[in-house]
Amino acid sequence: EPEVTQTPSHQVTQMGQEVILRCVPISNHLYFYWYRQILGQKVEFLVSFYNNEISEKSEIFDDQFSVERPDGSNFTLKIRSTKLEDSAMYFCASSDSTPDRTQYFGPGTRLTVL
Amino acid sequence: AQTVTQSQPEMSVQEAETVTLSCTYDTSESDYYLFWYKQPPSRQMILVIRQEAYKQQNATENRFSVNFQKAAKSFSLKISDSQLGDAAMYFCAYSFSGGGADGLTFGKGTHLIIQP
Repeated sequence: EPEVTQTPSHQVTQMGQEVILRCVPISNHLYFYWYRQILGQKVEFLVSFYNNEISEKSEIFDDQFSVERPDGSNFTLKIRSTKLEDSAMYFCASSDSTPDRTQYFGPGTRLTVL
Repeated sequence: AQTVTQSQPEMSVQEAETVTLSCTYDTSESDYYLFWYKQPPSRQMILVIRQEAYKQQNATENRFSVNFQKAAKSFSLKISDSQLGDAAMYFCAYSFSGGGADGLTFGKGTHLIIQP
């Protein structure tokens, strides 16, 4: 069964450093998403992406965040200058073009900012 | 803005029994989708079941079923014959069906404990 994959599974970085989180969505899916989950809290939507541009973004997705689909398979989330409060689990998801847009999630990347 | 409320931070059930997890939501839309996701200790988000708001029939997936009350804006999950592998966080989520790439709005989750 096709699945969303994410790398790395765990990333440790120093405050102020840039990080890139990578995702490979399900191959025939057209819509891509990033979410974050701070430990012990609910999952929060960051951004969605369709047709090579941002479709929707939340208030959390400020100028320090960017997304890119650099080739036909990868979907990346870049955090330019990490802060301590960026420590969280980051989930990538993808959906196809059926009306319900059911989102299938990857296993997540745990980001730790020191 | 849409909100999703899960009022039970934690629920406990004996193995093989039935448990119901509650979820309410607030929206001004008439067409939308509702989902339950399971998050085991591995923290992977796994789709359990989905419901289209325009369908009156409650969705069912094996031991999992929902009670969707559109007028009350309620969307509860019933797990029958609970198994140890059902132990996890369960998140209720809402999505507007506007045809775009809408993000999911999640509730805070319910931690389900299965007693052997």
